[in-house]
Amino acid sequence: EVQLVESGGGLVQPGGSLRLSCAASGFTFSSYEMNWVRQAPGKGLEWVSYISSSGSTIYYADSVKGRFTISRDNAKNSLYLQMNSLRAEDTAVYYCAMTYYFDYWGQGTLVTVSS
Amino acid sequence: QLVLTQSPSASASLGASVKLTCTLSSGHSSYAIAWHQQQPEKGPRYLMKLNSDGSHSKGDGIPDRFSGSSSGAERYLTISSLQSEDEADYYCQTWGTGIKVFGGGTKLTVL
Repeated sequence: EVQLVESGGGLVQPGGSLRLSCAASGFTFSSYEMNWVRQAPGKGLEWVSYISSSGSTIYYADSVKGRFTISRDNAKNSLYLQMNSLRAEDTAVYYCAMTYYFDYWGQGTLVTVSS
Repeated sequence: QLVLTQSPSASASLGASVKLTCTLSSGHSSYAIAWHQQQPEKGPRYLMKLNSDGSHSKGDGIPDRFSGSSSGAERYLTISSLQSEDEADYYCQTWGTGIKVFGGGTKLTVL
């Protein structure tokens, strides 16, 4: 059974940093591209970042480019999102999701940016 | 620019059918999409991948009540025999080189 479990969310001040993790199990993690998607309170879904199975290809939404860094460790079956220079508008539940059409999702981790 | 447009809300009666629409922006009518369901206070769940010819592949455990179809730039999600648990937000999503895009979502109310 495919499982994606996010962690690392919490309360952080504006300008601060946070690192999210997504632990994957139940499939061959190294064979699949992965994404981060977020959802601000009461809002719709927003794609944040993509990484290819090998990690060689990476894309970001314009809203996070230059501030967020996606990475993966295939030996540890883990996906990461390093978030720097956080803003109030980054407050959201962050989900990791598999493949280019998001056929599996994690349960999400809440990031709150507030002073 | 790759954009998906959805109506903000829809409603239908218990046991009836409903057809939700997702419209691809001009020049992108050949794109496949995916449909996702988000029940209240839950994370999203993948429903199906829907191609421009109407063929679709559903996710694990998705009931036969959920089906997809296509016409031109329109992509449809039909839910038949509506149940109370179908009350949810439904998002369409597509992809291009270096980008993934979501529609704004349709909030489905089951009366």
